[in-house]
Amino acid sequence: DAGVIQSPRHEVTEMGQEVTLRCKPISGHDYLFWYRQTMMRGLELLIYFNNNVPIDDSGMPEDRFSAKMPNASFSTLKIQPSEPRDSAVYFCASRGDDGTSSNTEAFFGQGTRLTVV
Amino acid sequence: LAKTTQPISMDSYEGQEVNITCSHNNIATNDYITWYQQFPSQGPRFIIQGYKTKVTNEVASLFIPADRKSSTLSLPRVSLSDTAVYYCLVGDPGSSASKIIFGSGTRLSIRP
Repeated sequence: DAGVIQSPRHEVTEMGQEVTLRCKPISGHDYLFWYRQTMMRGLELLIYFNNNVPIDDSGMPEDRFSAKMPNASFSTLKIQPSEPRDSAVYFCASRGDDGTSSNTEAFFGQGTRLTVV
Repeated sequence: LAKTTQPISMDSYEGQEVNITCSHNNIATNDYITWYQQFPSQGPRFIIQGYKTKVTNEVASLFIPADRKSSTLSLPRVSLSDTAVYYCLVGDPGSSASKIIFGSGTRLSIRP
């Protein structure tokens, strides 16, 4: 497997524009996580899905942020409208559930560096 | 979720053994301890996980005392390429509501 694939790798957009980040998890993984990383706030969990269903979106900063997982192989994180303070690196990660009690290894994508000007 | 506390930063030299300790006083019975490594401009990468005593793999060792209120990640003979941020996480992997929450991490700098 090629690992978790995120696109685009870099995105520069103007304030007020809609931004869509994409993620393809590792095939067979049941969990998908979206994170945001900044120098000030570190690595924050925004939302995570289990079997395509959103389980916890308490980390989503505001209504401008939304995430979907229409099928097991694709997820999007949308920001509408975008603001300069949304500038960050956004990571997607996936994790499998092999039925053991000790599996917490999550695999991260390379991230999308978003700059809102 | 059990809160973790680890040093903000550490410095060491090539060839030395580095030990990073993490405190997790409120660890629950079903919680495991997991460490991740993050290089600049990359996503975090799983290093090692354990429940008690000692775990060793090709990258590191993890020491967990009997009371499990702390853990120590040991990196043998570090090199410049071990410069990264190291995160200690505590959680119940068997729970269907298992979030993966990262703290501030320890920024490890290795010098020649």
